Amino acid sequence: GQNIDQPTEMTATEGAIVQINCTYQTSGFNGLFWYQQHAGEAPTFLSYNVLDGLEEKGRFSSFLSRSKGYSYLLLKELQMKDSASYLCAVRDSNYQLIWGAGTKLIIKP
Amino acid sequence: GAVVSQHPSWVICKSGTSVKIECRSLDFQATTMFWYRQFPKQSLMLMATSNEGSKATYEQGVEKDKFLINHASLTLSTLTVTSAHPEDSSFYICSALRTLMGNSPLHFGNGTRLTVT
Repeated sequence: GQNIDQPTEMTATEGAIVQINCTYQTSGFNGLFWYQQHAGEAPTFLSYNVLDGLEEKGRFSSFLSRSKGYSYLLLKELQMKDSASYLCAVRDSNYQLIWGAGTKLIIKP
Repeated sequence: GAVVSQHPSWVICKSGTSVKIECRSLDFQATTMFWYRQFPKQSLMLMATSNEGSKATYEQGVEKDKFLINHASLTLSTLTVTSAHPEDSSFYICSALRTLMGNSPLHFGNGTRLTVT
């Protein structure tokens, strides 16, 4: 079966750095996405990785290792507004998106 | 700005009535749109894939006669929850792809919070 694993919840301090991991087992691979979802709102796109390595976009970076079936989202200089759920999603060989359950990130002052 | 518009944002209806939710792609033609449902503190659950000009493809366990999907044009898909019951209360989100391949992300509407009393 297809499966995506992320930690359920993480807590970090304002101004710090946090890394949210995602491991996947899917039927094929055509890219991995990270989305941010604030409570009661729809997800918003953060990043896309299809090749191994690190993609940096401002305070957010995303890393992919296809051989390990592993990705992480790195958030730097955390702000209170970063409190949200972060969803990892993988596009499989049929171009279907397989979603993780999301990681709830709690930022403390 | 938003590329996918979803209406209404929230709706309260009585049990047994039907509710229609609209999803529009604003600046691109979406041959494929997706409808998701999300219960509190849970992840997105794909309900169906809506293809312009053809019947929607429903995920296992989703009743096609209860959740009617119409994708009549390249910019509009609708989801109608028929004979709604309290257990249908949920957050419904539509999304669209500009293209099926490459790094094209899924663009989401703002979601519709449905409460059935």
